[in-house]
Amino acid sequence: DGGITQSPKYLFRKEGQNVTLSCEQNLNHDAMYWYRQDPGQGLRLIYYSQIVNDFQKGDIAEGYSVSREKKESFPLTVTSAQKNPTAFYLCASIGTSLGEQYFGPGTRLTVT
Amino acid sequence: GQNIDQPTEMTATEGAIVQINCTYQTSGFNGLFWYQQHAGEAPTFLSYNVLDGLEEKGRFSSFLSRSKGYSYLLLKELQMKDSASYLCAVRDRGSTLGRLYFGRGTQLTVWP
Repeated sequence: DGGITQSPKYLFRKEGQNVTLSCEQNLNHDAMYWYRQDPGQGLRLIYYSQIVNDFQKGDIAEGYSVSREKKESFPLTVTSAQKNPTAFYLCASIGTSLGEQYFGPGTRLTVT
Repeated sequence: GQNIDQPTEMTATEGAIVQINCTYQTSGFNGLFWYQQHAGEAPTFLSYNVLDGLEEKGRFSSFLSRSKGYSYLLLKELQMKDSASYLCAVRDRGSTLGRLYFGRGTQLTVWP
């Protein structure tokens, strides 16, 4: 089945540690996105990539890093510089029809 | 900047009709999307409008007025499973790979 996978679903880390969230898609989509969602909030864009080996900062990129070495993969690293990393992280990709975004199931990160 | 507003919460009873409004102010416009998000899950795509008028898809319809910067999502014959957050998102310009700007979401509760 085609889709977007994110792993793990729940992740726990100690403060001061870097952590990498996985996002893989087999939809052959060009563009991929990382969002953060906090309780009662909308989606805030962290980073996005429209082609391999290229990516742009979103609205809240500080404390995060990404890579796009393969079309299928867009991992997000939450660094120790991110002040409030506990959140629900969503990865999405866009096909070429309407441009609607397809979302992965999300990773809930808790940092204590 | 981009500004997208929608009510925080709405309630309705099973079998009723509810209209969720969204107003936007963006530097450009290249499509408006509605997503449904159940608690703890990823958003799923509901509808897309790029021209003025009504788009109908089963029990859900979405309306757009570009001159007024206004859209609504109409849900008919409400069911308990429609209890969710509904997100309005605008693509401001560019190709279909362009980024989306999301509102904070409207939490709809459907009562029996």
